[in-house]
Amino acid sequence: EPEVTQTPSHQVTQMGQEVILRCVPISNHLYFYWYRQILGQKVEFLVSFYNNEISEKSEIFDDQFSVERPDGSNFTLKIRSTKLEDSAMYFCASSPRTGGTGELFFGEGSRLTVL
Amino acid sequence: EDQVTQSPEALRLQEGESSSLNCSYTVSGLRGLFWYRQDPGKGPEFLFTLYSAGEEKEKERLKATLTKKESFLHITAPKPEDSATYLCAHSGSARQLTFGSGTQLTVLP
Repeated sequence: EPEVTQTPSHQVTQMGQEVILRCVPISNHLYFYWYRQILGQKVEFLVSFYNNEISEKSEIFDDQFSVERPDGSNFTLKIRSTKLEDSAMYFCASSPRTGGTGELFFGEGSRLTVL
Repeated sequence: EDQVTQSPEALRLQEGESSSLNCSYTVSGLRGLFWYRQDPGKGPEFLFTLYSAGEEKEKERLKATLTKKESFLHITAPKPEDSATYLCAHSGSARQLTFGSGTQLTVLP
């Protein structure tokens, strides 16, 4: 069964460093998303991406964050100058249709720990 | 402000003991109400989408229902493998999903 894969599963970084989280969405899907979940809190929307551009972003997704689909298969989230409060589980998701249908396929997540 | 509130926060059931989880929502222009299952350390797994009041969806021991202000996830004769956190989410005028805090379900053998 096709699945969304994410790497790394866990990354530890020092405050102020840049991290790149990588995702390989399901191959025939057109819509891509990043969500995050701070330990013990709700899953929160960060950004959606369609047709090689951002279609929506939340207030969390400020200039510190960027997304890219560099080669037609990978979908990356870059976090510049990480802060302690960026520590969270980051989930990539993909959908064959606009996310309004809600049937998003999530990866297993990348846990980011900022020290 | 769009909101999703789930109750109870945690629920412990004996195997075979049926129960319901509640999701209350406020949204301007509901596009859909969604239920996901999340196992520890994993990403959410899609279960159901409901679009209009009165709609019901079923899958194995789970049945989801929708009213204008609430959704319920009914679990009939649960098994230990149904233990997980169940997340409710909606999408409104903005297409992203707004999640609730979840109900952590534990089914004891």
